[in-house]
Order: sequence, then C-alpha cells, then structure tokens
Amino acid sequence: GNSVTQMEGPVTLSEEAFLTINCTYTATGYPSLFWYVQYPGEGLQLLLKATKADDKGSNKGFEATYRKETTSFHLEKGSVQVSDSAVYFCALSVGTGGFKTIFGAGTRLFVKA
Amino acid sequence: SAVISQKPSRDICQRGTSLTIQCQVDSQVTMMFWYRQQPGQSLTLIATANQGSEATYESGFVIDKFPISRPNLTFSTLTVSNMSPEDSSIYLCSAPMRRGTNNEQFFGPGTRLTVL
Repeated sequence: GNSVTQMEGPVTLSEEAFLTINCTYTATGYPSLFWYVQYPGEGLQLLLKATKADDKGSNKGFEATYRKETTSFHLEKGSVQVSDSAVYFCALSVGTGGFKTIFGAGTRLFVKA
Repeated sequence: SAVISQKPSRDICQRGTSLTIQCQVDSQVTMMFWYRQQPGQSLTLIATANQGSEATYESGFVIDKFPISRPNLTFSTLTVSNMSPEDSSIYLCSAPMRRGTNNEQFFGPGTRLTVL
C-alpha cells in the first residue's frame, strides 16, 4: 500500500539554524511528493512539490529533492526563522488527476528567537 | 481570494446529533475529497466525492456515519451522523485544480467540530 513516514517532532531550533525533516515513502506506482505546512490557527498550505525523480521542489527558502533510489523527500532549509514555526506534513499522491493524497503524521517545528 | 470555502468554520454539538458541513469550490472540479484531522494528528482521508455517483469511502469509514452529497461540480457536503466525542476533529475538503500549467490540490480552511 501507500504510506508516508516522517520524523517525529517536536523539533526545536534556534533562529538561523539548519533544518532537516526526514520523510520516506512507500508507494505502488509513481507518486508525486509534497510538503504541506500548517501555521498555528490556519489551514493547510502547499509548501512545495516534486513530480518525478531528481526533481527539486523549492519555496520560501525550503527545498526537497525527490530521491527514488532511497524513496525519500527530505525537507531542508538553510536558516530558519521564528515565523517558520508550524506543523509540516509530507505527503504523496498517486493516480492520474485525482490527487488522492496520503499524509505523514506531521512534524511540529518550534523556532526560538 | 479563497479557492475553497467551508461552512461552518466551527461548531460545538451535542452527542447523538448530526452536523452537515458544506464545501464550495470556485471552479468546476471532477473530484473532491473529505479529510479528518483529529487533535494533534495528521490528515486521514474519509472519502472521495464524485459528481453523479456515490462517494468512495476509505477503510474504517462508512456511508451511514459520514454520508456525502455531490450535487454539482462545485459543491459537496459531508454529514457527521450520530456524533460522539470521538468525532471531535477538524474536517477538511479538498479538490485538485489547474493553476497555470500545473495541477495542485487545494484545501478548504477546515471545520473545527467539538462534540460534547
């Protein structure tokens, strides 16, 4: 079946620290991969995505590379800010057009000033 | 501007009652999805709502508990029936839409349900 496993949180970092949130997946077929972010009190937003192997998604200083050989899609940011404090969800979708999306458990990030 | 809206945004309900959540999309979409996010948890897909046919439910979810309507290509409802405190969650609808050259899945803001 299809599943997403991401590192457990919470992750607590100081401002300007380097961030990595690990994500691995299991999928039948060739999935698209996503990172979503949920800021406190807000709805879910797409942060970045990659649709094929070796693609790099990037947005707001965050990056993730679709690694088919290791079935991974780790999220990275070189220098986090307090405003990055949120819950981050790794996700995959399979099938054509339908975007039936499977989510990981989510990783809560706290960034201290 | 909002791509997907939901009503109500939140509600507090009594055990044994039912609540219908509405989801409105600003363009026609073939498929819509309903998710549940229990407190402190990730999103779990409840069902896929297709216009003109019955919804397809994921394992662990049944139509009697979560009836879904999809009367047209821009609207869907999810009813949480015979509620219990365990149904307290955020319920979200989503739909894939084309933006520019890409398809992207958009989510509604969610309906926060508390069952007493």
